[in-house]
Amino acid sequence: LAKTTQPISMDSYEGQEVNITCSHNNIATNDYITWYQQFPSQGPRFIIQGYKTKVTNEVASLFIPADRKSSTLSLPRVSLSDTAVYYCLVGGLSMNTGFQKLVFGTGTRLLVSP
Amino acid sequence: EAGVTQSPTHLIKTRGQQATLRCSPISGHTSVYWYQQALGLGLQFLLWYDEGEERNRGNFPPRFSGRQFPNYSSELNVNALELEDSALYLCASSPLAGGADTQYFGPGTRLTVL
Repeated sequence: LAKTTQPISMDSYEGQEVNITCSHNNIATNDYITWYQQFPSQGPRFIIQGYKTKVTNEVASLFIPADRKSSTLSLPRVSLSDTAVYYCLVGGLSMNTGFQKLVFGTGTRLLVSP
Repeated sequence: EAGVTQSPTHLIKTRGQQATLRCSPISGHTSVYWYQQALGLGLQFLLWYDEGEERNRGNFPPRFSGRQFPNYSSELNVNALELEDSALYLCASSPLAGGADTQYFGPGTRLTVL
C-alpha cells in the first residue's frame, strides 16, 4: 500500500508560485495521483489529477517524474483565498484483487500572506 | 447539478450508542466512498461502495459498517461508539468504479462522542 508524505506546512505571499511535493515511494503501476484542496469544515475539492509527466489545468500544474515516486503540485500565482490544506491522494484499482486502494497524504497547510 | 449531500450536519452521541450517517451522491454516480477525518488529522479511507456492494474497506474495526441503496445513496453506521470516533465523516462519490475516477466530496458530518 502506497504511503504518502507531504510537508506539514508552507508559507507564501500573494502573487508567488507555490510548489508542494508529495512522496509516494510505493506507488503501484495502476495508481493515479490526485490533489485536493480543503478549507476548514468543508469537504476536499478536486484540483488536478495525473499519471505521469505533466498535467496542467486552469488552476494548477502537476509534475510527475518518470519514476513516479513523487509528485509536485504547482500553484502559479497564489492569492489569500488559496490558504487551505492541500492533500495528495494515491490510488487505483488493484490489478490482483480489483479493489480500490486509496491513500491520502498527511496534508500540507498553506498560508498565504499579503 | 446538485453536489454530494450529507446528513446530519452535526451529530452528538454518547459512548456506547450507535450513529447513522447518510450520504446522497451526485446524480449518475454509482460509487460512494466514506472517510474519517479526526481533528487536525488527514483523511482515512473507511469504505467504498459501488453498485450496492461493499468493494473495499480501510483499516477500521467491524463496528464501522454501511450499505448502499438501489438509488446509490449510502449509510454509514458506527456501533458501540468510542470517544475516539469523534471526527468529521466525509462522503465522496465518483461516476465509475476504480481507476482514475475523480471523487467529489460532500460537506461532511461532524460526529461528537461524549
